[in-house]
Amino acid sequence: QVQLVESGGGVVQPGKSLRLSCAASGFSFSSYFMQWVRQAPGKGLEWVAAVSYDGDKKYYADSVKGRFTISRDNAKNTLYLQTNSLRDDDTAVYYCAREAGASNYFDYWGQGTLVTVSS
Amino acid sequence: DIQMTQSPSSLSASVGDRVTITCRASQSISSYLNWYQQKPGKAPKLLIFASSSLQSGVPSRFSGSRSGPDFTLTISSLQPEDFATYYCQQSYTDPPEWTFGQGTKVEIK
Repeated sequence: QVQLVESGGGVVQPGKSLRLSCAASGFSFSSYFMQWVRQAPGKGLEWVAAVSYDGDKKYYADSVKGRFTISRDNAKNTLYLQTNSLRDDDTAVYYCAREAGASNYFDYWGQGTLVTVSS
Repeated sequence: DIQMTQSPSSLSASVGDRVTITCRASQSISSYLNWYQQKPGKAPKLLIFASSSLQSGVPSRFSGSRSGPDFTLTISSLQPEDFATYYCQQSYTDPPEWTFGQGTKVEIK
C-alpha cells in the first residue's frame, strides 16, 4: 500500500536551517509529481512546494521562495525539503503528498513532521 | 494568486442532517476543485476531486457539485465520523500555485 513517512522536524532557532525528508513506498515514486503542504498550529493548509517526476521542475509558494528548496532522489524513493533562513511563521506541521490525476489532486498524504522555529 | 473563499467557517449540525459547504474562487478555475477532510491530529484525506468525482473508498453520502463559480460539498446524512474540518483546494493554476480555502469546521450540535 502507498505510504509516505516524513522525518526531520524539530525545534530550530530563527535564521537556521532544517532538512525534511519524506520516504515513499508502495508505488512508482518516479511517476508522480510530489508536494509539500504545511499547517501552522490551529490554522489552515498552505501549499509550500511541488517537484516534477524527475526533479527538473520545481515550484514554490511566494512565502518560501528563495528560502526553501524541494528536491527528490528517485533511486531512494525520497522527497526532500531544505528549509533555510527559518522564521517564526514557518512553524508548522509539514506534510508531503502525492499529486495524482489530470486534475492535480493530492491523493495520499504522510502523517506530517512538526517544525518549531523558536529562540 | 487565486483566492479560495469557503463558507461557512464553522457550522453545528446533528447526526442525520444534510450539510452543505461552499467554496468560491477569485477567478475561473474550470472544474479544478478538490475537497479534503481533516480530523484533529491527522493528515488531510481526499474526498472529492475535479469538482464532483468521488475518491475511491469515500462513502457515497459525500458529493461535490459546481454551479458557475460556486462549488459545493454536500454530506447527505451526517454521520458521527464526519465531524471534522473540510478544505477546498484549487488545482487550476499553471505553473502550480495551489491554494486552499480557509476551512469549514463541522461540529456536533
